[in-house]
Amino acid sequence: DAKTTQPPSMDCAEGRAANLPCNHSTISGNEYVYWYRQIHSQGPQYIIHGLKNNETNEMASLIITEDRKSSTLILPHATLRDTAVYYCIPFAPHNTDKLIFGTGTRLQVFP
Amino acid sequence: DTGVSQDPRHKITKRGQNVTFRCDPISEHNRLYWYRQTLGQGPEFLTYFQNEAQLEKSRLLSDRFSAERPKGSFSTLEIQRTEQGDSAMYLCASSLFVTSPFTGELFFGEGSRLTVL
Repeated sequence: DAKTTQPPSMDCAEGRAANLPCNHSTISGNEYVYWYRQIHSQGPQYIIHGLKNNETNEMASLIITEDRKSSTLILPHATLRDTAVYYCIPFAPHNTDKLIFGTGTRLQVFP
Repeated sequence: DTGVSQDPRHKITKRGQNVTFRCDPISEHNRLYWYRQTLGQGPEFLTYFQNEAQLEKSRLLSDRFSAERPKGSFSTLEIQRTEQGDSAMYLCASSLFVTSPFTGELFFGEGSRLTVL
């Protein structure tokens, strides 16, 4: 399994973009990059995933570098409700059927 | 869509007692996962089912832990002879697996918090 490195914590002002980095330099060719978040006292919630191309949905955008060794999750206009722990998870659907979580980044959005 | 529900949400027990947690997945979901989470850590995989078949168990799942999904719907996770180290949040998740490969999208419940005194 690929190892990820995420900053333990980040702050962001409400209304500004939150850019959460993730290093996954040992990611293999068939591994996607998944992002989940966990709001306090709740279960994790799926946000977005991608393989090579940048992806966008109603929640966030995912930017993956060309060499795929790192990615950035972007919350374009952070709100207080985005305060959570964000997990970056490399995952290969053909190889395994379970997600392996690291320790993530604790994002604090302040007014 | 009622989501994944877990019961009880909180359980306090004395060391040595047995506890059982129940998980009701989203109704059409055929896969069900159990994770454990301690303070400051990400969720750790314990086991998962496809329908009633238990397909994988983590080494973390000692012989005091047993999980069942008898009819392919709800699941139970039982911990026998609880120890203080079992204190954690026990999370259940479900997904719909219709074609290979697994999509990676899990729907989690809010968890069952266990405190062993």
